[in-house]
Amino acid sequence: GAVVSQHPSRVICKSGTSVKIECRSLDFQATTMFWYRQFPKQSLMLMATSNEGSKATYEQGVEKDKFLINHASLTLSTLTVTSAHPEDSSFYICSAPGGAAGDAGNEQFFGPGTRLTVL
Amino acid sequence: LAKTTQPISMDSYEGQEVNITCSHNNIATNDYITWYQQFPSQGPRFIIQGYKTKVTNEVASLFIPADRKSSTLSLPRVSLSDTAVYYCLVDGGGSYIPTFGRGTSLIVHP
Repeated sequence: GAVVSQHPSRVICKSGTSVKIECRSLDFQATTMFWYRQFPKQSLMLMATSNEGSKATYEQGVEKDKFLINHASLTLSTLTVTSAHPEDSSFYICSAPGGAAGDAGNEQFFGPGTRLTVL
Repeated sequence: LAKTTQPISMDSYEGQEVNITCSHNNIATNDYITWYQQFPSQGPRFIIQGYKTKVTNEVASLFIPADRKSSTLSLPRVSLSDTAVYYCLVDGGGSYIPTFGRGTSLIVHP
């Protein structure tokens, strides 16, 4: 099956700094990617839809100026957590659909996740 | 978006068959039903997908009744390594945005 990678797998940073997380589709192209956040013992919460060549679409309650998303190529989307604070500590996961976005029956391929800890 | 409802948790023993049911009462005509498995600190991974009736692959079966308002994931002869959280997702009726419900935490005991 298709593979999605994330880098880094875990990161620890000081409060107030910015952290960039990369999501790559390794053997397929993805015009759309999705970013999730997952707190302990909770489900995945969709943060935003990343669109290649255009602005991301953010879910209600997600600050677009804090969580900057750039989808500059068909295989790479980045999530930058700006001015990170301890409450941003979480597990961040990206995914990409196996087919064209909006198609019924698309299988989602998920990255392995990035554990962010803000001190 | 079609909302899904699953039991929060289930317990089983090695070698037993486990059935996890998901309700999706407002599923749209073109929506598919997809199940994912997630281990702690890992991204979810695809298990099985179906549209209607029954689908079987090497790891699971998926049963979907005629009205498609629910689906049942069947795991035959579970092992300890099947301990995970299982999510059912339903396509967003043409605007596929994968949205997760609470999932079912399955614990398999020796």
